[in-house]
Amino acid sequence: AQSVTQLDSHVSVSEGTPVLLRCNYSSSYSPSLFWYVQHPNKGLQLLLKYTSAATLVKGINGFEAEFKKSETSFHLTKPSAHMSDAAEYFCVVSEAGSDQLTFGKGTKLSVIP
Amino acid sequence: DAGITQSPRHKVTETGTPVTLRCHQTENHRYMYWYRQDPGHGLRLIHYSYGVKDTDKGEVSDGYSVSRSKTEDFLLTLESATSSQTSVYFCAISPGVDTQYFGPGTRLTVL
Repeated sequence: AQSVTQLDSHVSVSEGTPVLLRCNYSSSYSPSLFWYVQHPNKGLQLLLKYTSAATLVKGINGFEAEFKKSETSFHLTKPSAHMSDAAEYFCVVSEAGSDQLTFGKGTKLSVIP
Repeated sequence: DAGITQSPRHKVTETGTPVTLRCHQTENHRYMYWYRQDPGHGLRLIHYSYGVKDTDKGEVSDGYSVSRSKTEDFLLTLESATSSQTSVYFCAISPGVDTQYFGPGTRLTVL
């Protein structure tokens, strides 16, 4: 069975400083991994996805994530936070060949001016 | 948002009443999903569909039913709404075993 743990429920950073949102996963087979972002009162938007190609995945809005199999991690980073990055972020896993997604509980990112 | 609409966007209803939420897509994708989002739980799968009249249960299907009579529409019905079904409901679509794209959500309050 697959599972996802987002290690922080809330992260607060100052504008212009780096962002790190942590995600560990558990999966029996080669997983696909995703990060979605949800702005207040909006739907979920795909930031990036990993599907067994390059381990460093670049997404939209300057975000990237690195797949580390040995650490079962898929942390999301951004070099410099912007006010518009304030949102909730979800790490998501699916088994290879499966359409069933398992969501983490989310990390709320606050950006301080 | 990937050609997905949900209706209504907001609904307040009373315990015991039936409620139907609609998801409509213009992408002609085979796969459609209904999720609910509750604080501290992320999103949880209610039901899904792999095509017309092909539906199955997800993790939290009790108290919900679905129907898909056309490729573009996926209906979620609460036969007799309860306060525990107060939530935000999201529809998602996918061309197959691939990325899912989410609709804008429906906020349902059951009093």
